[in-house]
Amino acid sequence: AQSVTQLDSQVPVFEEAPVELRCNYSSSVSVYLFWYVQYPNQGLQLLLKYLSGSTLVKGINGFEAEFNKSQTSFHLRKPSVHISDTAEYFCAVSESGGGADGLTFGKGTHLIIQP
Amino acid sequence: DSGVTQTPKHLITATGQRVTLRCSPRSGDLSVYWYQQSLDQGLQFLIQYYNGEERAKGNILERFSAQQFPDLHSELNLSSLELGDSALYFCASSVTSGEQFFGPGTRLTVL
Repeated sequence: AQSVTQLDSQVPVFEEAPVELRCNYSSSVSVYLFWYVQYPNQGLQLLLKYLSGSTLVKGINGFEAEFNKSQTSFHLRKPSVHISDTAEYFCAVSESGGGADGLTFGKGTHLIIQP
Repeated sequence: DSGVTQTPKHLITATGQRVTLRCSPRSGDLSVYWYQQSLDQGLQFLIQYYNGEERAKGNILERFSAQQFPDLHSELNLSSLELGDSALYFCASSVTSGEQFFGPGTRLTVL
C-alpha cells in the first residue's frame, strides 16, 4: 500500500516570492509521482509527473519538482508566484507498471498568494 | 477542458435513495477511474475499469458499484445513500499508465 503526506495544509506566500510545497510518500514498490492543481469549483489539472529518468521535472505554469528517492520526497517549487496560483495542490502516487494505477492522494496544500 | 465529461453536474437526493453518475472518457482512453472527494476523507480512489473489465478496487463501499460499457463510458451507482456520501465524485481516464485526465466532477448532496 502507498501513502502520501503533504506536510503543510496551508502555505501563505507573497506575490512574486518563491514557494515550495512539500510532499513525502511511502511505498513498497516502484511508483509514479504527480502534482495536481485544483482551482475553486473545478476538477483536477495535472501540473507535472515523474515516471522515470531525470529527477528534476518541469511542468506547466512555471512549476517544477524534484524526485528524491532516498528521502522519498517529491517537493513542488516555483521561483515566483502570481495571484492566479492561488489554489489547492495535491501530490499523488501510483504504482508503476502493471496497469492497476489508481492514484493515492495527499490531503492537499492550500496555496494562498498575498499581494 | 480535459475531454472527460461527467453528468449530471449537481445531484440532490434523499437518504436511502439510489443514484447513477455517468462518465464519458477522452476519445481513445481505455481506462476509467472513479474518485470521491470529501472534506472528511479527502480524495479517495474508488475503482478502475480497463476496456470493460474491473482492474483495481480502492476504498469503494459495498453499496457502490460501477461498470464500463462497450462504448467505454462508465457509470457509478450509489445506493442506500447516507448523509456521509455527500461529496464530489470525479471520473478520470487514461490511455496508459502515467497520466490521468479528470472530469469536472458531479457534486452529490444527500439530504
